[in-house]
Parts: sequence; structure tokens; C-alpha cells
Amino acid sequence: EIVLTQSPGTLSLSPGERATLSCRASQSVSSSYLAWYQQKPGQAPRLLIYGASSRATGIPDRFSGSGSGTDFTLTISRLEPEDFAVYYCQQYGSSPPETFGQGTKLEIK
Amino acid sequence: EVQLVQSGAEVKKPGESLKISCKGSGYSFTSYWIGWVRQMPGKGLEWMGIIYPGDSDTRYSPSFQGQVTISADKSISTAYLQWSSLKASDTAMYYCARRSTLGAAADYWGQGTLVTVSS
Repeated sequence: EIVLTQSPGTLSLSPGERATLSCRASQSVSSSYLAWYQQKPGQAPRLLIYGASSRATGIPDRFSGSGSGTDFTLTISRLEPEDFAVYYCQQYGSSPPETFGQGTKLEIK
Repeated sequence: EVQLVQSGAEVKKPGESLKISCKGSGYSFTSYWIGWVRQMPGKGLEWMGIIYPGDSDTRYSPSFQGQVTISADKSISTAYLQWSSLKASDTAMYYCARRSTLGAAADYWGQGTLVTVSS
């Protein structure tokens, strides 16, 4: 089973700053099958990025994804107040189907 | 409009059985995998398993194999997650999600079903 480790666990930043979130896999992941989600309190997760770097429908261009192999990054170029949330990476493999990272909480400094 | 609508919150006692549902609409239900995700109170997301309603091919994550059963009724575009004997540790929010053709990401999610197991 591929284990995804996200860092940092908590990131404290101010609106307008740049956020960089990391997701490291225990073995190589196909870039085609790495996604990022945002979850706000009391809400279901929302897909942000699929295929490591493609934005989902309706996602602002301040969100970008990059990486390959075992190291992936979600970048938020200029934080808006609504961006403070928990972020999860997720990979798809042949068996078991999917695993998530443990999440990074992005909080207002 | 694609929608996944889940059944309502449940309060159960340990040892009881339960089946929760997820009804898809606005797309071809039989053409997309549907997965189930657990989120325990204050914790992260855990992928439980997934089903392809077209042929009922089902796969479980090792942690959930034998603990739950995932099924689907394509005639009514509904997927299910069921327990035969609940435990207090099954208390959680459960989400269903559609696996997209875009990199197998989960592009649409249900609103979640809160399951509380308490004596």
C-alpha cells in the first residue's frame, strides 16, 4: 500500500501570502493519479487538482499543482480568506484503489 | 447537474446492522465508479472501497475488507454501504464520491451521512 505523508501538519499564514503544501509518497505514483482536495469544516471535500497539475472545473488559477514520482506540491499563490481549510492529497493505485494523505491544516496567522 | 444525495443521519446501538445509501443523478450511473470514504471525528479521510455499478465489481481497502459491504442497485442509481454488526468505533461521517475519468480523482461528493453508534 502506498502511504502519502503530507507536510507540514499545520501551516499558519496571512491572507495575501503564498502557501506551499507537500505530499510525499512511499513509492512512485503516476502523476496521472495524484489529486488534491480542500475541505472546510462541516463540508464534503472538494476536488482542486487532478493529474498532479490540472485544475478541476471552477477552481481559481491561484491554485496550482506540481511534482512527479514521490514528491508533489500544492501551491496557493496569494491566499484569500476562503482558502483557510484542510488540504488532502490522494493517489490512485491498482490495489488498494485509493489512499489519502493525513492532511495539512492551513490556518490564519 | 451531477448530484450524489446520501441518506440521513443514523443513531444506532453496538451490534445493530445498518445500510446507508447514495443516490446518483445527472449522469450515467453505471459508467462511473462510486467510492466510500470514512472521516472519524476530528480526523482525516480514509478510502474504504469502491464499486462499479455497471457490473458490481467491488474493491475494498485492506483496513475495511470484511468489516463493511459495498453494493449497488443500478436500477435505481443507488450505491450502499452496510454493516452487519456496528461498533462504537464506526462512529464517523461517511461520504460517497464519484471517481472521475480524470485521473481517477473524486470529482463529485455526497453531502455525507453521520453515523453515531452508542449504547
